[in-house]
Amino acid sequence: NAGVTQTPKFQVLKTGQSMTLQCAQDMNHNSMYWYRQDPGMGLRLIYYSASEGTTDKGEVPNGYNVSRLNKREFSLRLESAAPSQTSVYFCASSVLGTVYEQYFGPGTRLTVT
Amino acid sequence: AQTVTQSQPEMSVQEAETVTLSCTYDTSENNYYLFWYKQPPSRQMILVIRQEAYKQQNATENRFSVNFQKAAKSFSLKISDSQLGDTAMYFCAFMSLEVDSGYALNFGKGTSLLVTP
Repeated sequence: NAGVTQTPKFQVLKTGQSMTLQCAQDMNHNSMYWYRQDPGMGLRLIYYSASEGTTDKGEVPNGYNVSRLNKREFSLRLESAAPSQTSVYFCASSVLGTVYEQYFGPGTRLTVT
Repeated sequence: AQTVTQSQPEMSVQEAETVTLSCTYDTSENNYYLFWYKQPPSRQMILVIRQEAYKQQNATENRFSVNFQKAAKSFSLKISDSQLGDTAMYFCAFMSLEVDSGYALNFGKGTSLLVTP
C-alpha cells in the first residue's frame, strides 16, 4: 500500500505561472483534503472533497481550484501563482464512520518567486 | 469556526523525562474528535493519538497519553520516557462531526519539541 502520494515533491514557479499538484490515495477513502502549511501557522484547509464529484471550499481557497477526478485522485491547481502561495502543501484522505483519522501525503514544497 | 490554541511555541525536555504539551480549543459543539499529530524534520504528518469527545476515559498509546478536560476545553499531551526520536513539531487538531464541516481538521499553530541527551 502506497497510502497517499503527492507529486511533485518540490517546485519553483515564477509569479503568474500555473501548475497542478497531484494527489492520489489507494485506500478507497471517500474524503480527500488539501491543506497548506506556513511557518508559525499550522496547517490550514484549502479545499476538500467529501466524495467523488463534490468539492467544497475551506478556510483559504482564494487563488486555487480543485478537481476530484475520481475516487482516487484529487488535484490542486494554481492558475496564476503569487509569492503569497509559497508554502508546503499537504494532501490527506480519510475514512469516516468509526475511525475519523486522516492520512497525509509527504507534502509538496512550492516556492513562487 | 473552532479555534485551537497551543500556547507553547517551543519546549525542551531531557531524554527519559516527561513533558506535557498544552492545547485548548473553543467550540459550542458536543460531539467532536481531538488529535495530536507529530511532524518530524522529514515533514511527514504522523498521528500520535486521538480522543473522542463522548469518551470520558483519556486515550493512551504506549508512552503517549492525553488529559482531556471537556468542560475546560483542554486537551494536553503527555510524553513519558522521552526519546531523541520524539524531537518534532506537535500539532493539536480539532475535528467537528457536523456534516457541513467535511470532517476536516482544524489545527493549532504547533509546539516545537526538542529532546536533548
